[in-house]
Amino acid sequence: GENVEQHPSTLSVQEGDSAVIKCTYSDSASNYFPWYKQELGKRPQLIIDIRSNVGEKKDQRIAVTLNKTAKHFSLHITETQPEDSAVYFCAARSDKLVFGAGTILRVKS
Amino acid sequence: DAGITQSPRYKITETGRQVTLMCHQTWSHSYMFWYRQDLGHGLRLIYYSAAADITDKGEVPDGYVVSRSKTENFPLTLESATRSQTSVYFCASTYSSYNSPLHFGNGTRLTVT
Repeated sequence: GENVEQHPSTLSVQEGDSAVIKCTYSDSASNYFPWYKQELGKRPQLIIDIRSNVGEKKDQRIAVTLNKTAKHFSLHITETQPEDSAVYFCAARSDKLVFGAGTILRVKS
Repeated sequence: DAGITQSPRYKITETGRQVTLMCHQTWSHSYMFWYRQDLGHGLRLIYYSAAADITDKGEVPDGYVVSRSKTENFPLTLESATRSQTSVYFCASTYSSYNSPLHFGNGTRLTVT
């Protein structure tokens, strides 16, 4: 089955800096890669997703890149703000959606 | 999203007791899922359902039972709760296929003493 590894487990950045979270997956048949943001005590919410026929996708300050050959994908957040502080989960889907262990992002003001 | 609700929000139970977590969605989504969230493990799939009366195991199904007699409801039962089942449980749904976004409920924090 699919296995997703996510790094780093924690990330601290200064407000205004960029943050990058990386994930690798094992199943070359995976074709859907969403990212979820979870604020403390809240539910996970989708922030961006990418399908395997696309290499990059942007939505304002958030972008995701996918390298199918290397089987890794990354989340990029530019101009970070304190409200970006949360836990971020990547996921990959072959027959089932499998989540990474999460990254705690802290944006220091 | 108010369209998917879980109850209760918090539950404390004793080892060996049966407990049922409820999940209700108002979107008529075909697919529904149960995940558990534990520190260091992310979200792990317990069971999922593609439609009423169709359920299948996820990564960590042992000790859990599900049913889906109606499209809108997907209860999760712990038949004999163990301390290792202390966790936050999230129900989720999606409308058409596994590639469409999941919508999560607010979660149920379960403590087994």
